[in-house]
Amino acid sequence: GESVGLHLPTLSVQEGDNSIINCAYSNSASDYFIWYKQESGKGPQFIIDIRSNMDKRQGQRVTVLLNKTVKHLSLQIAATQPGDSAVYFCAENNSGYSTLTFGKGTMLLVSP
Amino acid sequence: EPEVTQTPSHQVTQMGQEVILRCVPISNHLYFYWYRQILGQKVEFLVSFYNNEISEKSEIFDDQFSVERPDGSNFTLKIRSTKLEDSAMYFCARGQGAGGYTFGSGTRLTVV
Repeated sequence: GESVGLHLPTLSVQEGDNSIINCAYSNSASDYFIWYKQESGKGPQFIIDIRSNMDKRQGQRVTVLLNKTVKHLSLQIAATQPGDSAVYFCAENNSGYSTLTFGKGTMLLVSP
Repeated sequence: EPEVTQTPSHQVTQMGQEVILRCVPISNHLYFYWYRQILGQKVEFLVSFYNNEISEKSEIFDDQFSVERPDGSNFTLKIRSTKLEDSAMYFCARGQGAGGYTFGSGTRLTVV
């Protein structure tokens, strides 16, 4: 079936570096995409979202890029901090349905 | 104060026993969800609940599962006869519009 998946299971960076986490999706009907951060023992926390009519959206220290041609989504974190260490999930949604389909997750490890 | 509160945080149960996981969404949202996450794997959709009725459910949500909103605020997930493979983190979530959710901190279910 169609699914959302991640390229890299673990990403290790130094504090202050920029981080890029990637995600591929295969459902061409998806029109809404979300990045979640999950810290150990906690539920997923909303970071940033983007609709399919956009290709870039910026938040505080985070940017999401959407390339619909190749069905690729990325999360860029600027000046990564130790507190950014967590598992990051992409998720997709078809606005005709309320459920989210999650990718497998990427562990981001930030060294001081 | 968390917007979605789940209890208990950890539940250990014998195989074949019934468990009830509880969620207090603390809002007037109409959409509520249960998701689960097997250790080290992605978050998987179980069921969505709209206006006090199940609106969508996944293949995972078989006859052993049920959901209720017994008193208008609490939202429960019941597993009638637990299996070893039901061991997972179970997350309650409420809809916040535009497809995004607010997740609770989860209940870790361990079936022994």
